[in-house]
Amino acid sequence: KAGVTQTPRYLIKTRGQQVTLSCSPISGHRSVSWYQQTPGQGLQFLFEYFSETQRNKGNFPGRFSGRQFSNSRSEMNVSTLELGDSALYLCASSLAVGARTQYFGPGTRLTVL
Amino acid sequence: SQKIEQNSEALNIQEGKTATLTCNYTNYSPAYLQWYRQDPGRGPVFLLLIRENEKEKRKERLKVTFDTTLKQSLFHITASQPADSATYLCALDEDTGANSKLTFGKGITLSVRP
Repeated sequence: KAGVTQTPRYLIKTRGQQVTLSCSPISGHRSVSWYQQTPGQGLQFLFEYFSETQRNKGNFPGRFSGRQFSNSRSEMNVSTLELGDSALYLCASSLAVGARTQYFGPGTRLTVL
Repeated sequence: SQKIEQNSEALNIQEGKTATLTCNYTNYSPAYLQWYRQDPGRGPVFLLLIRENEKEKRKERLKVTFDTTLKQSLFHITASQPADSATYLCALDEDTGANSKLTFGKGITLSVRP
């Protein structure tokens, strides 16, 4: 079974731009979570989606948003990029909300110049 | 304030020894605690989960303990190998219901030298 895939793997943007990242969960997994990982703050939870609905949200500004499609694929969007948004963005899937084990993708490395 | 501390940023040990990694937390009441392994440039990989009412869990050379009184989890790798070199993250899950939100520590980088 294929793992979680994320596209693109690397991205360079400039301040003020917006970016959309994509995540395809493991086949059969219906819950998708997004995390931001930086050297200073570590891995921080952004949000979780299940059945196209946001079920849980971390403490990030409204510039960070996401959505989930009927096939469980998910996208996250960051608008008005800031230098501090440079990070590794990780997507994780699980069978369902409440399933404890998360399966992570390789991440998208975003650099904001 | 809530805090998860992993005892050091780096741990260096000799091959064959037991590596012990610590995860301490304050102002959390986790129902579950998980350990993940992360290699450079890759996403974390799930290793073990332990519930609040479990004291110990084992899987091959790995052992996790969970002490809710001390608010601490210990992660042991016995007979360590250079291939065990990676960053190890603990993650707390406070929700007992349908919603699961993991809060991660910053991780400990383990280096096993031959």
